[in-house]
Amino acid sequence: DTAVSQTPKYLVTQMGNDKSIKCEQNLGHDTMYWYKQDSKKFLKIMFSYNNKELIINETVPNRFSPKSPDKAHLNLHINSLELGDSAVYFCASSQVTGQGNYGYTFGSGTRLTVV
Amino acid sequence: AQTVTQSQPEMSVQEAETVTLSCTYDTSENNYYLFWYKQPPSRQMILVIRQEAYKQQNATENRFSVNFQKAAKSFSLKISDSQLGDTAMYFCAFMKHNTDKLIFGTGTRLQVFP
Repeated sequence: DTAVSQTPKYLVTQMGNDKSIKCEQNLGHDTMYWYKQDSKKFLKIMFSYNNKELIINETVPNRFSPKSPDKAHLNLHINSLELGDSAVYFCASSQVTGQGNYGYTFGSGTRLTVV
Repeated sequence: AQTVTQSQPEMSVQEAETVTLSCTYDTSENNYYLFWYKQPPSRQMILVIRQEAYKQQNATENRFSVNFQKAAKSFSLKISDSQLGDTAMYFCAFMKHNTDKLIFGTGTRLQVFP
């Protein structure tokens, strides 16, 4: 039943490791996103994909690479993890209609801790 | 570039009372959307209310309503009959029309006391 599901919910890993976070939505939305929420709760967009095509790529280190195999999935792979990557990562999706964008549906977030 | 400012880092209110959270934004756009999201301790981001800039009528959703002042670029959220379950971080957000990018404010932490 979950509309936007992310796995894992918690991820603890050592510096230098490579990790992936998976996201799937069953809402039929065309656009998916990755947001990062830092320790001060500030939310900032990282990437967006529309129907598998990269639309937004903010100033994110190259160590972060999103992949969208189809419009229902958007994964985030992070290479060579650093302490500063510790944050909560949110996946979200949205759909644009004739009345515009009705806002995002968010996943429950993945808390990444790099030690 | 658009910016969203929430000047109240923390607010508190007694159960059943009314509280208003402030939000201002800066944009040169005429057509856009504004949102309030709630993030309870569970971490889940929940859409509370949405406003279209071209509509003068203020949006309402049950106990939640907004005061949208386009000229002043102000978008405050009023919570009536506050409940303990309203305790959460509240984020104001802006989206320019024909883009899908949500720009968030820094959030206001609301505590509802019994």
